[in-house]
Order: sequence, then C-alpha cells, then structure tokens
Amino acid sequence: ETGVTQTPRHLVMGMTNKKSLKCEQHLGHNAMYWYKQSAKKPLELMFVYNFKEQTENNSVPSRFSPECPNSSHLFLHLHTLQPEDSALYLCASSQAGGDYNEQFFGPGTRLTVL
Amino acid sequence: GQNIDQPTEMTATEGAIVQINCTYQTSGFNGLFWYQQHAGEAPTFLSYNVLDGLEEKGRFSSFLSRSKGYSYLLLKELQMKDSASYLCAAMDSNYQLIWGAGTKLIIKP
Repeated sequence: ETGVTQTPRHLVMGMTNKKSLKCEQHLGHNAMYWYKQSAKKPLELMFVYNFKEQTENNSVPSRFSPECPNSSHLFLHLHTLQPEDSALYLCASSQAGGDYNEQFFGPGTRLTVL
Repeated sequence: GQNIDQPTEMTATEGAIVQINCTYQTSGFNGLFWYQQHAGEAPTFLSYNVLDGLEEKGRFSSFLSRSKGYSYLLLKELQMKDSASYLCAAMDSNYQLIWGAGTKLIIKP
C-alpha cells in the first residue's frame, strides 16, 4: 500500500465510449502525475500537476483529458480511444519543490480498447 | 536527446548476487532512482543516488558514477520474491524523471 489508490483496476472500452480513470493520494503531496506504461517500453509521462496547476503535457492526444480538482485527486477522462491506447495507466504523487522527488505510484488501471 | 539504457532481461539463481546496469544521458542531472515493480503492481522506490559512490540498504545497493553516466543496482542473497522488473530513472534539469524500459529479473531455484 503506497498511499495512492486508483480506480478502476481494469477497464475494457470500445472506441466510441467515454470513461474516466480516478486517482487519489493520501500522502499530503502537492504534485500528481499520469503515466502510460506499455509492455517493454519506458514509462511515458503524460501529464503533471503541481499545486493543481498543469505544468506538463507531453504531446498527449486530445482524446486524453486530465482534471485535477484538488491536490489529492486526479482524473483522466478518455473518449474515442484507439486500440493502441491499450496499456497500464499509472498515477503517481510526490512532494514538489525539493531536490528529492521520490514518486509514489498507484497500482494502475489496466485499459483495453477494443 | 534524453535516453536511459538497461538490459531487457536477466536471470539469476536464488542465493546468488546480480548486478543490473543502467546508463543515462539527460539534459542536466539531479539524481538517479531505482524502482522495483512486481507484475501487476505499482512501482515502488528502492534507492536514490545523486553523489558518486555506493549506497547500501540491506541486501540492495546502488552505485552512481556521474562522470560516466552510469549506475548499477546490486542485489545480494537473492530470494524468489526478488523476481520483478527493476526500473532505472534519471532526473533531468527540470526535475522530471526519464525512465528506462526496465529490466525483468528472473530468479531460478
């Protein structure tokens, strides 16, 4: 248990569906991250929020839309996804502002797009 | 560009020692992390090095050479539960983590 929870753990959706992934951290951190993890590839940083403000958007397609209503919650809204978007989506949090930026990860949502 | 290289897969025997290497190229450098990830689970923090040298933490040790852009994770007295992927990540000048693809470690009895 890392103090970061994600729901759902598994999600199967069609290309025309709309769904949302949820992340919650109980660590009092002020930075939150979305990563995409595909088999045998490095973790891909998608979005970063510091103090609820988005600070990174690494050329992610607009079919992925993040939302950070407060420093403890992070959402990833999904619509009209493609089969190649099937992957493990990991949420992480950290205490931003220092030199040491250890990130704590949630267990991930395994997404399958049909 | 920024890049992290580590072996894709390694095999070792229970009770033995294994060293997982990682080389990095980043725009600036603010430290090197190692994470462990069991199949289907979250990555969990193992170590952080920012100065040259060896950091020991129980059965696990991590080494850094900044001049060579090189790090390794050393696992001693291997146990079956050490079977996992080990992720190397370097922090760049913007304090963002650049990740390797991970090394899958298989432990055999």
